[in-house]
Order: sequence, then C-alpha cells, then structure tokens
Amino acid sequence: DTEVTQTPKHLVMGMTNKKSLKCEQHMGHRAMYWYKQKAKKPPELMFVYSYEKLSINESVPSRFSPECPNSSLLNLHLHALQPEDSALYLCASSQGGTTYEQYFGPGTRLTVT
Amino acid sequence: AQKVTQAQTEISVVEKEDVTLDCVYETRDTTYYLFWYKQPPSGELVFLIRRNSFDEQNEISGRYSWNFQKSTSSFNFTITASQVVDSAVYFCALRLIYNQGGKLIFGQGTELSVKP
Repeated sequence: DTEVTQTPKHLVMGMTNKKSLKCEQHMGHRAMYWYKQKAKKPPELMFVYSYEKLSINESVPSRFSPECPNSSLLNLHLHALQPEDSALYLCASSQGGTTYEQYFGPGTRLTVT
Repeated sequence: AQKVTQAQTEISVVEKEDVTLDCVYETRDTTYYLFWYKQPPSGELVFLIRRNSFDEQNEISGRYSWNFQKSTSSFNFTITASQVVDSAVYFCALRLIYNQGGKLIFGQGTELSVKP
C-alpha cells in the first residue's frame, strides 16, 4: 500500500481565518514533506520532517506552521494567509533516509480570498 | 549548482505513437538519484522510477522505458504506443545522496497530451 491521504481536498479561506491541512500515511515511513505547487510549475519544497523532527524549513513565512504529532501524521497550520498563497499543497512521505522515493498524496487545493 | 532541464514544455501526439520525454541534469556530485513522476489532471504525483548514479542500465516497464546516460547527463523517458490515459504532466527530478533532508530538484515538467 503506497497511499498518502490528505484532507480536505479543497479549502477556501479568508485572509483572517485559521485552518489546518492534514496528511496521513500508514506505510511506516519516517520522513514526511510539505510542498506547494502553483499552476504550470513544479512542486516547491516547504518543510521536511525526519523521524518526527523538523529537518528542513525552506524559508517559509511564519503564517505556515507545520506540525508532526507522530510518525504517521503531518499537519500544516495556516493563519493570516495572502491571496498569493493559493495553490495546491502536496504532502509526501518516504522511508527513513534521503535516498528513497517520495510518495505523494492527492493534495489540498487552497484558495485564499 | 544542481539543475534539471526538461526542454519540452508541451508535447502532443496521437494515440499509439511513441513519444520520448527528455531530461538533462547538472550536478558536480558523483552520487545521486534520478526520478520520474507523473502528475495527471487529478493532481497527485505518481512515482514512476528511481535510478541511482551507479546504475546505467536501461529499464523497461510495460510500455515505459528509461534511458540513462551519464556521459550526456540525460535520463530520457519513452512511452511506446501511447494511450489517452498517458496524458499528464511528467516531472524529472534529481536528489543528491548526501543532500540534507532529501530535497528533490524538479525540472519544469513536460505536459503530454495524447489525442484519440
């Protein structure tokens, strides 16, 4: 089973709202990732968690706050977003270590109004 | 600096044609991994293949085949007898073995349209 699930599929939020994106995997993977993807562009890495510790933050604005409650779950808390943050947010996971392929979820399509 | 170039932005073929998607990469490292992902209109990136820098054997999986040539820093992907379901954006990506955190360096993607 190579499934990564993400909820919600679609999210519309105002600039003053607080919302969260959720990602879950049950493959025993120990690395989890958040990516942002704008239309017609490749995914851009935002955060990496390795063994439940934040290992990479690609200089993401503080209005995005990641959380890894356990090895199967990854959240992305959103607060005071801007319209330019509208994008597809993809979660991925991989086995521990940096050499393994990443498996992606279906993404959350976020619209900030 | 590391970079992946997919020079073909869009390709359109008719069903049953063969099509090759080009990928050229740049890195000074001698150990690295290369990947291909497929992104259909639904949005999910689907892993297709991983190849490490020490393994230059070509690979075939059904209608898909991959040609890895270190001498030209290329990792091309061929779909034989294309089908409408192959329509998607295809990304080539590079990861350095010792790169902290496993960051994937993506090319800009090639949008493949297969018409019936």
